[in-house]
Amino acid sequence: DAKTTQPTSMDCAEGRAANLPCNHSTISGNEYVYWYRQIHSQGPQYIIHGLKNNETNEMASLIITEDRKSSTLILPHATLRDTAVYYCIVRVGLDTDKLIFGTGTRLQVFP
Amino acid sequence: KAGVTQTPRYLIKTRGQQVTLSCSPISGHRSVSWYQQTPGQGLQFLFEYFSETQRNKGNFPGRFSGRQFSNSRSEMNVSTLELGDSALYLCASRGGEWSYEQYFGPGTRLTVT
Repeated sequence: DAKTTQPTSMDCAEGRAANLPCNHSTISGNEYVYWYRQIHSQGPQYIIHGLKNNETNEMASLIITEDRKSSTLILPHATLRDTAVYYCIVRVGLDTDKLIFGTGTRLQVFP
Repeated sequence: KAGVTQTPRYLIKTRGQQVTLSCSPISGHRSVSWYQQTPGQGLQFLFEYFSETQRNKGNFPGRFSGRQFSNSRSEMNVSTLELGDSALYLCASRGGEWSYEQYFGPGTRLTVT
């Protein structure tokens, strides 16, 4: 199973862009990169996913390098409510919903 | 559309007892997965069900079991509870074949004393 590596913690000023990196150098060709976040031990919240193209939705943008060995989640204008643990996950195949969570990045947004 | 619901939200049990947790997926979702979250081990996959069949299982002892009903609702059972089973148990559901997002419920906080 492909593993991901993320920084333990990051800080970001409110209103600025938060760029969260993730390394997944062992990812296979058909494995998707997913991002979730978890606030105060609530259930993880889906943010975005991608295979090889950059993706954008109302919450964030996902930039995946051409070799697919790393990606960056971008929150364009961070708010205090974005303070959470962010998980970068490689979905293990398309015929299973199994997600392997790493330790994630604790993002602290400060005023 | 209502989200994933889990019952009960909080539970206190004694060592040696058994417990059953329930998960109701989002209406129309057929896939349900279960996860255990502890401070020491983080989020760990327990098992997943699709159309009443267990499709995948994590590395947990046989004391952990689950099932899915025809209406897609799912239950997980833990027998002979141990102190280390104290955790937040989360379930997630996913929609159709081409739906990639999994939606998590709020979890059941189980405390074993």
